[in-house]
Amino acid sequence: DIQMTQSPSSLSASVGDRVTITCRASQSIGNYLSWYQHKPGKAPRTLIYVASSLQSGVPSRFSGSGSGTDFTLTISSLQPEDFATYYCQQSYSHPATFGQGTRLEIK
Amino acid sequence: QVQLQESGPGLVNPSETLSLTCTVSGGSITNSYWTWVRQPPGKGLESLGYISYSGSANYNPSLKSRVTISMDTSKNQFSLRLSSVTAADTAVYYCARGQQTHIDYWGQGTLVTVSS
Repeated sequence: DIQMTQSPSSLSASVGDRVTITCRASQSIGNYLSWYQHKPGKAPRTLIYVASSLQSGVPSRFSGSGSGTDFTLTISSLQPEDFATYYCQQSYSHPATFGQGTRLEIK
Repeated sequence: QVQLQESGPGLVNPSETLSLTCTVSGGSITNSYWTWVRQPPGKGLESLGYISYSGSANYNPSLKSRVTISMDTSKNQFSLRLSSVTAADTAVYYCARGQQTHIDYWGQGTLVTVSS
């Protein structure tokens, strides 16, 4: 299986901050990388697919970049509703695997 | 707008079979891929497998031969069966719609507890 490693595991930030989360794959996955936002008791929400495409309805303050093994999710200006856990997922090979998650907390 | 809703028992006895159904509305299950993802308490997300629009299924090898995903096109539903469950299978189970590259729609999730 392809291992996905996110960093940091947790992050404290303030409203208005610019935040970057990193995801590294154990082997090249091209651009088969997605990002999801997850809040407790809610369904995960798809943010980004194929590394940099914004899912319909997702605010433009979210952006993704990268290819091969290294990827980033950037939130340009944190809003109160953005405090959640973020996961990357590779869909390059079966089984699709997720990173361990990055918990974004209010400072 | 595609919507998915999981249903099934919230409590399963150890060694028995966990069965969940996902009802899809707003779209046909004869399009796209359909997948199950779970999240054990305090842990991250794990993909269990998927079934394609043609009915062909692929499973996470970590679950070995315990998992089966099937579909009922007449009801626009797909289902998960996980046999010989243990406490380690306690999790929130999500059904979702997958494209080739990502999941685009998720169900709300249902908690299944394995306990006697």
